[in-house]
Amino acid sequence: KAGVTQTPRYLIKTRGQQVTLSCSPISGHRSVSWYQQTPGQGLQFLFEYFSETQRNKGNFPGRFSGRQFSNSRSEMNVSTLELGDSALYLCASSFNGDDTQYFGPGTRLTVL
Amino acid sequence: GESVGLHLPTLSVQEGDNSIINCAYSNSASDYFIWYKQESGKGPQFIIDIRSNMDKRQGQRVTVLLNKTVKHLSLQIAATQPGDSAVYFCAERTGGSYIPTFGRGTSLIVHP
Repeated sequence: KAGVTQTPRYLIKTRGQQVTLSCSPISGHRSVSWYQQTPGQGLQFLFEYFSETQRNKGNFPGRFSGRQFSNSRSEMNVSTLELGDSALYLCASSFNGDDTQYFGPGTRLTVL
Repeated sequence: GESVGLHLPTLSVQEGDNSIINCAYSNSASDYFIWYKQESGKGPQFIIDIRSNMDKRQGQRVTVLLNKTVKHLSLQIAATQPGDSAVYFCAERTGGSYIPTFGRGTSLIVHP
């Protein structure tokens, strides 16, 4: 069974731009969660989607948004990028959210 | 490689030794605990989990111990190998919540 895939793997943007990251969960998994990982803050929860609905949300500004499609694939969008948004963005999937999460390799976003 | 955390606690061991990585958690209501391994340039990889109704769980070369009295979790790796070198994270989750809280991580360095 293929693992969680994320695209792109690396991205360089400038301040003020917006970015969209994509995540394809493990086949059959309906829950997709997004995390931001930085050296200073560690792994922080952004949001979780289940059956195309945002079920949980972390403490991030509204510039961070996401969505989930009927095939469980998910995208997250960051608008008006700031230097502090530079991070590794990780996607994790699980069958229903209440079970083991499996992470993708992440998208390394650099904001210049 | 990518840094996943500044000033991470570091455990340095010789190949073949047993390693013990510790984690303290703060929420006494947490009832599900997970250990992840993150190698440089990769997303976190699930190692083993344990629920609060257990004190010990064993996997292949790994054992997780849970002490709810002092809110302490440990990961024991038997016969540590150079391939075990990575950052190890513990995560806790409270019943009814789909959102795990991750610790800052411990860097394990295995010397051949």
